[in-house]
Parts: sequence; structure tokens; C-alpha cells
Amino acid sequence: GENVEQHPSTLSVQEGDSAVIKCTYSDSASNYFPWYKQELGKGPQLIIDIRSNVGEKKDQRIAVTLNKTAKHFSLHITETQPEDSAVYFCAAGDTGNQFYFGTGTSLTVIP
Amino acid sequence: GAVVSQHPSWVICKSGTSVKIECRSLDFQATTMFWYRQFPKQSLMLMATSNEGSKATYEQGVEKDKFLINHASLTLSTLTVTSAHPEDSSFYICSARGRDLDTQYFGPGTRLTVL
Repeated sequence: GENVEQHPSTLSVQEGDSAVIKCTYSDSASNYFPWYKQELGKGPQLIIDIRSNVGEKKDQRIAVTLNKTAKHFSLHITETQPEDSAVYFCAAGDTGNQFYFGTGTSLTVIP
Repeated sequence: GAVVSQHPSWVICKSGTSVKIECRSLDFQATTMFWYRQFPKQSLMLMATSNEGSKATYEQGVEKDKFLINHASLTLSTLTVTSAHPEDSSFYICSARGRDLDTQYFGPGTRLTVL
């Protein structure tokens, strides 16, 4: 089955700096890679996703890159703000089946 | 769009009782629903996958007789924790995927505490 690894487990950045979270996956059949943001006591919220036929996708301050050859994808948050503080999960899978989640990254943005 | 609700948001019950959690897709038809369990500061653990009108598929190690899942309609799935014990205390989250939606949309979660 698919195995998704996520690093780092915790990340602290100063407000205004950039944050990068990296994930690797093992199954070359995975074709969909979503990122979720989870605030304390709430369910995960989709923030951005990318499909295997695309190398990069950007939505305002958030971007995701995908390297299919190396089987890794990354989340980039620029100009971080305190409200970006949360736990971020990457996932990999097939849109028709289940997703496999990373272990999560706790991001703290220091004002 | 793509809103998923859960009810209740939190529940406290006595050991030995059963608890039902509802998951609803509010603005789309959910052909597939997923139930996850999450322990503090840990990732999401998939418990089972259910397709509308068919039996749920449970992940290895999840007791299907203890965690009863029903996906009776395209907008509703329920998880019943039977004969709950303190070790069942956890955060339970559902997600749903629609016919024309590639991704999963998550509910807000239900905090279960078994005394």
C-alpha cells in the first residue's frame, strides 16, 4: 500500500517568513495530492490540492509543488500570519479511492 | 459548497452504553463516506469506508461489530460505537466525497468521552 512521510513534525517561523512542509510517497499509482489544515478541535479543511499531471499550483500565499519522479511534494506558505498556525496534513492517493495521510506538521507562526 | 456536518460535536457517555454519530453532506450527494479516528497530536486513522447502499469496508484491526457504520442515503452516514469503553474515547471525524468531486471534505469532528 501507499506510505506517506511528512517532515518536519513541528515548525516555528516568524510572522512574515515562509514555511515549507515536505512529503514523500511510495506508490507511483497515486495521482492526487491534497493538503489539509486542521485547527485545534476541528476537522481538517482542504487548502490546496494538486494532480499528477501538474508540477505546481498556487493560490494566493499558498503553493504546492510535485516531483513525480522523486515522489515528493511540498507545501509552501509565504508571508505567514498568526492565523496560519495549525496542523497541516499532506495526503496521497487516487481520487477514486482512499487517501493516505502524512503524520502532520504543527506550524506555529510567532508574531 | 461541499459542506459536511457532524452531530453531536461532543458527547459524554457511561461505559457500556452505545453512542451514534451522524455525518451529513449538506450541499452534495456523498457517494462515499469515510470514518476516521484521531488521537491527540496524531494523524488521521481510517476506520472504514462506506458507499451508499452497501456494507462498509473496515480497515484491518477495526472491529466491525463494535463500530457499526450505516450509509443509508446519499447525504447521511452514521457511526455507532456499541458498548463503549474508556479506550474508545477519541476524536471521530467523517469525510465525504461526491460523484463529481475528486477530494474528500471533512466534517468538524465529534469528541467522544467514555466515563
